[in-house]
Amino acid sequence: EIVLTQSPGTLSLSPGERATLFCWASQSISSTSLAWYQRKPGQAPRLLIYGASTRVTGIPDRFSGSGSGTDFTLTISRLEPEDFAVYFCQQYGTSPLTFGGGTKVEI
Amino acid sequence: QLQLRESGPGLVKPSETLSLTCTLSGGSISSSSYYWGWIRQPPGRGLEWIGSYSYGGSAFYNPSLRSRVNFFVDTSKNQVSLKVYSVTATDTAVYYCARLPFWTGYYYFDNWGQGTLVTVSS
Repeated sequence: EIVLTQSPGTLSLSPGERATLFCWASQSISSTSLAWYQRKPGQAPRLLIYGASTRVTGIPDRFSGSGSGTDFTLTISRLEPEDFAVYFCQQYGTSPLTFGGGTKVEI
Repeated sequence: QLQLRESGPGLVKPSETLSLTCTLSGGSISSSSYYWGWIRQPPGRGLEWIGSYSYGGSAFYNPSLRSRVNFFVDTSKNQVSLKVYSVTATDTAVYYCARLPFWTGYYYFDNWGQGTLVTVSS
């Protein structure tokens, strides 16, 4: 199975700063097969980006995704207070579907 | 607005069957455009996909769990259900149900429930 490794495990930043989150795959995956999610305590996870770079309708444009092959990135250009959460990536190009371990973005 | 809500016992004894239900509101379980998936997260570990299935009966599973898992659909209640058989402590996790927009040809999850914690302990 494809193992996704996310880095860093925790990112300590302040509102207004830029956050860069990484997701590395153990083997190459199609750029159309990588998604990013946000999860806040007590809430359902929310799909942010699919196809590595396509933002879901309603997701602010401060969220952007990029990458290909084995290296993918989620960037939050300017952190808002509501962005402090856990983010995880998922590959859906190969079964079994797999997820990364998550990056916690904290103040 | 689509909402998914997981429900079921929070405590299951070892060797017994874990049964969870996901109730859908704001949409139909029987839509041919979507699959329904279960994902879990054991304490201190990452998310693990259990499997996904459609109203029509098509399903695909994580091989690591395939022999102990079964899925069910109840259209009268707009629910999907998961059973995990012969559970052990390693099945302790927060369990999520989620919708997979099969019609896109891509298997990400566009709507999730909040999750429910199931603890396996005697």
